[in-house]
Amino acid sequence: QKEVEQNSGPLSVPEGAIASLNCTYSDRGSQSFFWYRQYSGKSPELIMFIYSNGDKEDGRFTAQLNKASQYVSLLIRDSQPSDSATYLCAVATLNSGGYQKVTFGIGTKLQVIP
Amino acid sequence: DAGITQSPRHKVTETGTPVTLRCHQTENHRYMYWYRQDPGHGLRLIHYSYGVKDTDKGEVSDGYSVSRSKTEDFLLTLESATSSQTSVYFCAIRTATYEQYFGPGTRLTVT
Repeated sequence: QKEVEQNSGPLSVPEGAIASLNCTYSDRGSQSFFWYRQYSGKSPELIMFIYSNGDKEDGRFTAQLNKASQYVSLLIRDSQPSDSATYLCAVATLNSGGYQKVTFGIGTKLQVIP
Repeated sequence: DAGITQSPRHKVTETGTPVTLRCHQTENHRYMYWYRQDPGHGLRLIHYSYGVKDTDKGEVSDGYSVSRSKTEDFLLTLESATSSQTSVYFCAIRTATYEQYFGPGTRLTVT
């Protein structure tokens, strides 16, 4: 079992719809959860992070975390063609020495159709 | 962009040659990381540093070494490049609140 699992997609949604991206993780001790957006040929860009169970909203983005189910998701409302990119889920665990081990999923490719 | 630059941005080299990639940051972050990104594998940690002269291995460290003689610079060296090291290499820093930010990347091709 991979430590962080994502469906590679592509996930196709029409413009204006809600895109829902999902991620599961295996380490119950994980503490921090991140979503990165990566355009083709570019570096990953941090767009959301969440540490506590529940929802966290930032503009059109909402991150949802359910630690009991080991599940984190990213919702993109009013999807735009400019949202077309690969979205990476990252899960971090902090050890006693202060080192944060971060494990990335392979990413879900999102296509927003005009 | 967290003030991270990488050089070179593109490099083509031959099998067996040594290669050094440089990561430079301007914001005095303690933690720095080197990742490689390959299709089907995602981002994988090669080495990381938690201070000047303090480094440790990641999950795919074989064939790579690193050095950090100044806070702002983190070097990744491929001792003898192989075709399996053809990849895109990203440097990252970690902030005090544990977010990681990435540099623009170096595309390395080993022929």
